Amino acid sequence: QLQLQESGPGLVKFSETLSLTCTVSGGSIARSFYHWGWIRQPPGKGLEWIGSIYFSGSTNFSNPSLMSRVTISVDTSKNQFSLRLSSVTAADSAVYYCARSAGGATYFDYWGPGSLVTVSS
Amino acid sequence: QTVVTQEPSISVSPGGTVTLTCGLSSGSVSTSSHPSWYQQTPGQAPRTLIYSTYIRSSGVPDRFSGSLLGNKAALTITGAQADDESDYYCVLYMGSGISVFGGGTKLTVL
Repeated sequence: QLQLQESGPGLVKFSETLSLTCTVSGGSIARSFYHWGWIRQPPGKGLEWIGSIYFSGSTNFSNPSLMSRVTISVDTSKNQFSLRLSSVTAADSAVYYCARSAGGATYFDYWGPGSLVTVSS
Repeated sequence: QTVVTQEPSISVSPGGTVTLTCGLSSGSVSTSSHPSWYQQTPGQAPRTLIYSTYIRSSGVPDRFSGSLLGNKAALTITGAQADDESDYYCVLYMGSGISVFGGGTKLTVL
């Protein structure tokens, strides 16, 4: 059974960089046809797709305003992929989920439990 | 920017049937949008219910069904149960590896 687990600091200071890692177990991150994505959910609000990566390193991102601050990378040797979000503000406080994207990246089939990140002033 | 629209809230009586919809601010939803649906209860990660418009994810009861309704995608729950009370999100695929979430529908069973 595939499992995903987010890890990283729960508290990040204003204007600094948020870094999260998703560790995949029970399957290889280097399997063809699957992408690996990040989704976030601010407290009390809806889900927002941030972006995704293929094991080759090819990435896709959501809106251009967020894209300028986001880096998604993959480490196939560790079966992990990572998110970096720079210049964070309070609006970036959210639960961050990692997920596997299947069907040619058209839907998410496996999710991590989520990691709450709070931006402090 | 494309906005994916959902009803903010809907209520249904226990045992009743309810349909949630997922549309586009501009244009129609079709199978090429690959609509998918997710259920989320408070404090939990989303659970995948439906993908590629109609296909139920493994372990999802058959009282959840997906379809196209007019120019929107739809999620129908037949015989609603108390534990169906959740937030429901749709996702539409925009091409080029890009997905967009709808704003979510809060379903109340009462």
